[in-house]
Amino acid sequence: EPEVTQTPSHQVTQMGQEVILRCVPISNHLYFYWYRQILGQKVEFLVSFYNNEISEKSEIFDDQFSVERPDGSNFTLKIRSTKLEDSAMYFCASSESSGGSHEQFFGPGTRLTVL
Amino acid sequence: AQSVTQLGSHVSVSEGALVLLRCNYSSSVPPYLFWYVQYPNQGLQLLLKYTTGATLVKGINGFEAEFKKSETSFHLTKPSAHMSDAAEYFCAVSGAGGYNKLIFGAGTRLAVHP
Repeated sequence: EPEVTQTPSHQVTQMGQEVILRCVPISNHLYFYWYRQILGQKVEFLVSFYNNEISEKSEIFDDQFSVERPDGSNFTLKIRSTKLEDSAMYFCASSESSGGSHEQFFGPGTRLTVL
Repeated sequence: AQSVTQLGSHVSVSEGALVLLRCNYSSSVPPYLFWYVQYPNQGLQLLLKYTTGATLVKGINGFEAEFKKSETSFHLTKPSAHMSDAAEYFCAVSGAGGYNKLIFGAGTRLAVHP
C-alpha cells in the first residue's frame, strides 16, 4: 500500500541552525501539506503546496520557513534559523485532489529537537 | 473560521465496553469531518470521514461516527473496545473549496484495560 515517508525520524539541532525535513508523498498525489505538533498540544497546519506554489499558509509559517519540491518525488520543509520553540513533531501529508473532502495521507513524522 | 473541541483528553474503558469519544465543531461553511488515529511512534491514520449524504459513517476497525448538525457534533463510537484500540484519536474539520487544511482538536488518548 502506498504511503508517505519522512526522513529523518528524529533530528537534533542547535538553536540558530538550519534544518531540512524531507518527505516523499504518495506518487500520484498532487497536494502536499506540512503540519506540526508541539508536545502535548494539538496538530497545527503549517502550509499547503500545489503546482510548485504555496496555496495556503498559517501565521506560524513565517519567513523562517520555506517549502520546496526539488524534484518529482521529494517535498521539503526548511527552517532557516531554528528556535527552541520549533521543537515539535512535523508531519507531512499528501492528497490526490484538492477539496476538503479528500483524505490527506500522513507520514510518520519527524521529531525535531532544538537545543 | 473553523474549530474543533474534543471533550476529555483521556478516556479509559474496559475491554469489551463501549467506546465514546466526543467531538464538537464550529464551522462557517458546510463542514467535512474526520477522525484520525495515532498509534505510538506512527503517523495519523484516517478512521472515517463525513462529507455529504448519510450522517452515520462507518470506518475501519469497527468504529463509526454520526454527524449531528443541530448539535454540531461528530462523536466517535465503537460497541466493544479491544486492547488494540489504545491510541490517540483526533477529530478534524475542513471546509468546502480547494486546498483545504485540516483543523484538529486537541486529541483524546484512549486507554483500554483488561
